[in-house]
Amino acid sequence: GQQLNQSPQSMFIQEGEDVSMNCTSSSIFNTWLWYKQDPGEGPVLLIALYKAGELTSNGRLTAQFGITRKDSFLNISASIPSDVGIYFCAGLSSGTYKYIFGTGTRLKVLA
Amino acid sequence: DGGITQSPKYLFRKEGQNVTLSCEQNLNHDAMYWYRQDPGQGLRLIYYSQIVNDFQKGDIAEGYSVSREKKESFPLTVTSAQKNPTAFYLCASSIGYRAYEQYFGPGTRLTVT
Repeated sequence: GQQLNQSPQSMFIQEGEDVSMNCTSSSIFNTWLWYKQDPGEGPVLLIALYKAGELTSNGRLTAQFGITRKDSFLNISASIPSDVGIYFCAGLSSGTYKYIFGTGTRLKVLA
Repeated sequence: DGGITQSPKYLFRKEGQNVTLSCEQNLNHDAMYWYRQDPGQGLRLIYYSQIVNDFQKGDIAEGYSVSREKKESFPLTVTSAQKNPTAFYLCASSIGYRAYEQYFGPGTRLTVT
């Protein structure tokens, strides 16, 4: 099955730094979702995006729906230790119930 | 509280045995999903159901079966035909008519020896 490409695969950052990650697809999506997963737990929905160009924030998190509708970006400002985890993107095409997931970005924050 | 319940959290079985994983939601969502996650991997879709009494195969349905007799329940059976069943299994649901936001349960870790 298709998977989305997420970049970077993993990253170490210092506490207080800003973080950027992205997700790209060969297909056009009408919806982008961003999730965070802690070890041994289910993914938690962070942000949902519905329109090309849309910029949406949730606290220190900001996500954007790319203009081409083939990519999305997630930024975390002023990272803290509890931001550690795996961040997944997911895309949904019009007329389908089948979500396509990214390969994940593993974030590690150094205090 | 509304949400998705998966039980048990950890499940152990002997090779050759069928095992059923439970998934219940009280969000009144029409669509439900089962995913498999292997260490260091993303999510792979096993089955999904848009409505009661209807379901479709995902990308890795072989060796699995599901039923959707009630809106709130979507159990997954891992059969003995599944060659590598040890994994983390995640159930999810979405509203359906506006299927944008998908929510996940806490997962069940299945170990088959």
